[in-house]
Amino acid sequence: QQPVQSPQAVILREGEDAVINCSSSKALYSVHWYRQKHGEAPVFLMILLKGGEQKGHEKISASFNEKKQQSSLYLTASQLSYSGTYFCGKPRSGNTPLVFGKGTRLSVIA
Amino acid sequence: NAGVTQTPKFQVLKTGQSMTLQCAQDMNHNSMYWYRQDPGMGLRLIYYSASEGTTDKGEVPNGYNVSRLNKREFSLRLESAAPSQTSVYFCASSDQGAYEQYFGPGTRLTVT
Repeated sequence: QQPVQSPQAVILREGEDAVINCSSSKALYSVHWYRQKHGEAPVFLMILLKGGEQKGHEKISASFNEKKQQSSLYLTASQLSYSGTYFCGKPRSGNTPLVFGKGTRLSVIA
Repeated sequence: NAGVTQTPKFQVLKTGQSMTLQCAQDMNHNSMYWYRQDPGMGLRLIYYSASEGTTDKGEVPNGYNVSRLNKREFSLRLESAAPSQTSVYFCASSDQGAYEQYFGPGTRLTVT
């Protein structure tokens, strides 16, 4: 049931774009994205809802693939502050707590 | 507005000792959660409380107990600590189960 994230790690230079994927064996009805900086708590980034609506706090976008079994998080023109581990989470069912993927470590270098 | 607070920040226990991790939120959220985070494993749910007066098991509940003391507070108890419980523990809260979660700063627990 745990979503599978890819890649496991990625290194970018400032200004480059990145895509992080979150896959599930069943259709995703919503996907939550969090970022965790080293030694800190995870922080909410956005929710992608089944109709494609996005609710978030930052200039980060996400989408579903056609079968809604994969969500992709798009980070454009990356900044040093984007470095951290990104987690996707999906509800087990309905309004239940999330199950998180193992994370994607993103490092942005100057 | 402190958000989610956790105590203690660090703790070292010997095998067999017990302890309680405290968590409190001041956002009037209905749901609260306890996660553990181990290297390469992501965040795994231990227990959660969908609303005051209810608690449910998550993915890895063995060896833990919880108490939802009131709407604000949700504690996690280790009755007999084991080295396998060495981890970073995060408490979180949200308005409902599938809504944005706010995490506390974490407790780093080492069991020797």
